[in-house]
Amino acid sequence: GAVVSQHPSRVICKSGTSVKIECRSLDFQATTMFWYRQFPKQSLMLMATSNEGSKATYEQGVEKDKFLINHASLTLSTLTVTSAHPEDSSFYICSARGGGGERNTEAFFGQGTRLTVV
Amino acid sequence: SQQGEEDPQALSIQEGENATMNCSYKTSINNLQWYRQNSGRGLVHLILIRSNEREKHSGRLRVTLDTSKKSSSLLITASRAADTASYFCATARNSGNTPLVFGKGTRLSVIA
Repeated sequence: GAVVSQHPSRVICKSGTSVKIECRSLDFQATTMFWYRQFPKQSLMLMATSNEGSKATYEQGVEKDKFLINHASLTLSTLTVTSAHPEDSSFYICSARGGGGERNTEAFFGQGTRLTVV
Repeated sequence: SQQGEEDPQALSIQEGENATMNCSYKTSINNLQWYRQNSGRGLVHLILIRSNEREKHSGRLRVTLDTSKKSSSLLITASRAADTASYFCATARNSGNTPLVFGKGTRLSVIA
C-alpha cells in the first residue's frame, strides 16, 4: 500500500512553545490530508481537512489559530500546535487519500505523533 | 464527529477462539473500513467493504455489511495473541477526498 510518513513520532515540549508535526505522502500525491487527534483509550477525532494550496477546513470546536495547518505541496502537510498547553498533550495522526483509482478510497495513515506538553 | 458505535467496547478471549466486533453507523455511506491499532501506534488498514457488498473475506478476517440496519461486523477467526489491539470501523460518504469518520473502537485482548 501507499506510505504516509509522519514526523516526529514523539515530542516533549514546554508549555507555551510551539511544535510542528509533518505528514508526507511518499509515493503518491495527496491533494487532501486529514489531521486527527486521539486521547488515551478513545477513538480518533477529526480535527481538520488540509487541502493543497488552500486554507484548511476545521471541525467545530477546533481552534484554527492554535492548530495551524499548512499544505504547501502535494506531498506535505504540517500541523503546528502553537502556544502548547498540557491539555494539548495527545496522539496526533495524519491521513491521506489520493493517488487515483482505488487509492482514492482507501485512507493511509501516518505512524502518529505522541505530544507531551510539560 | 463520530459516526457510530462499536460493541463491545472491550473483549477478552482465549487464543484460538473467534472474536466478533460490531459497528453501527448513522448516515448513508459509500464504503466502510476496518482498522487495527496497536497501543500508541498508527492505524493499519484491514479491509474495506463497499455499500453494495454484503460480505468480504481476507485471510482470517470476515466482514459483513447490512446497509438496511446500518451495521457491520468484523470476525477474526482462530485468534492469536498477536491480534491483541484496538479495532475501529470507519465510514466514508463517498470515494473522493472526504475524511473517514471513526467509531469508538473495540479493545480486543487475546490471552495465550
